[in-house]
Amino acid sequence: EVQLVESGGGLIQPAGSLRLSCAVSGFDVDDHYMTWVRQAPGQGLQWVSVIYPGGSTYYADSVRGRFTIARDAAKNMVYLQLNSLRVEDTAQYYCVKARGWFDAFHIWGQGTTVTVSS
Amino acid sequence: QSVLTQPPSVSGTPGQTVIISCSGTNSDIGSNAAIHWYQQLPGTAPKLLIYSNNQRPSGVPDRFSGSKSGTSASLAISGLQSDDEADYYCAAWGDSLSINYVFGTGTKVTV
Repeated sequence: EVQLVESGGGLIQPAGSLRLSCAVSGFDVDDHYMTWVRQAPGQGLQWVSVIYPGGSTYYADSVRGRFTIARDAAKNMVYLQLNSLRVEDTAQYYCVKARGWFDAFHIWGQGTTVTVSS
Repeated sequence: QSVLTQPPSVSGTPGQTVIISCSGTNSDIGSNAAIHWYQQLPGTAPKLLIYSNNQRPSGVPDRFSGSKSGTSASLAISGLQSDDEADYYCAAWGDSLSINYVFGTGTKVTV
């Protein structure tokens, strides 16, 4: 069964760091386009980052330089390292598998909540 | 980064057809980008509803249909049901010069 399970969210102070994890089952993470999407409380969806099968990574302007997407093929995991966190980074973070290059997001995890507050 | 524009809300009665619009620019929808639509039921993760402008993943009822023209797209829900009450988002990849996936502002459908 194809499944994505996120973990690692929590309450963190501004300027702090957090690492989100996404445990993948049913396919190999290094063969597919994996992304992170976030949703602030009561707000819409925002794309955060993508990692290509070849390893290339891309980020939304709002997180570039602060967030890092990575994967571990041996553990079949995808990660999102969140540094220099801001209050506006508070959101539900979803790990998502894309259908392919420049394609739709067809498999979503249940999400993990990050709250940035002092 | 740009955002695709949707009406905040749309409402209809059971059995009716509602249409949700999605307006973009030449840098996203107008750049030959495929449009995707997602449905988010209350308290749940989004679900892919339409990909490649008008294609339905397996399991999505044919009551949901998508179309695209120029810099705009639309999602039609026919035979509206109470279970369709949710938030709907259009989305598209921006042009290949800047890797960026843009979501619409979202539309709340009330039945």
